Amino acid sequence: SAVISQKPSRDICQRGTSLTIQCQVDSQVTMMFWYRQQPGQSLTLIATANQGSEATYESGFVIDKFPISRPNLTFSTLTVSNMSPEDSSIYLCSVEHRTTDTQYFGPGTRLTVL
Amino acid sequence: AQSVSQHNHHVILSEAASLELGCNYSYGGTVNLFWYVQYPGQHLQLLLKYFSGDPLVKGIKGFEAEFIKSKFSFNLRKPSVQWSDTAEYFCAVGFQKLVFGTGTRLLVSP
Repeated sequence: SAVISQKPSRDICQRGTSLTIQCQVDSQVTMMFWYRQQPGQSLTLIATANQGSEATYESGFVIDKFPISRPNLTFSTLTVSNMSPEDSSIYLCSVEHRTTDTQYFGPGTRLTVL
Repeated sequence: AQSVSQHNHHVILSEAASLELGCNYSYGGTVNLFWYVQYPGQHLQLLLKYFSGDPLVKGIKGFEAEFIKSKFSFNLRKPSVQWSDTAEYFCAVGFQKLVFGTGTRLLVSP
């Protein structure tokens, strides 16, 4: 497994602002992903964070709303832009080593948008 | 697109009762199957996984799951639950891009 940290752990933000969430892992990993868990719902994949290139977004998610960076093999950021109350969710990053085909999840960032 | 169904949204059991949580998925090809657990106040943790081979897989804390290809199912079982098993359980399917079920909240009363 891997030790994954996320910052911040929670935040309360005003409508129209942006928040950047950081994900740090203690070892070099092949894949990094970002998920969203809306209240009372399951996890939904937002995008795959690709090192050195643009992220790969899932249907329904766009780069302008959720810009993602991955400058190296251990770090990624997700920005939630121009937030609205509908963006209130838990945002989780996960990592996977190609040799294991198994994802391990960070503790999540609980975002509330007022 | 793949989908995952967990039919039990809330389950309440007494300690020592047996547990079975259902998981069905819709995908005809080869898939990797996972069960994750989220204990109160903790982050999502891997409980067990199935990639290939013996369809009965054993995980941590006495949990096991059986892959039945003909039924597109991957049900989670535990012969005797404990109060500490109170958690939310998620079934997930996929290769890299995981599709999750809606989760089952298990409450075990002492």
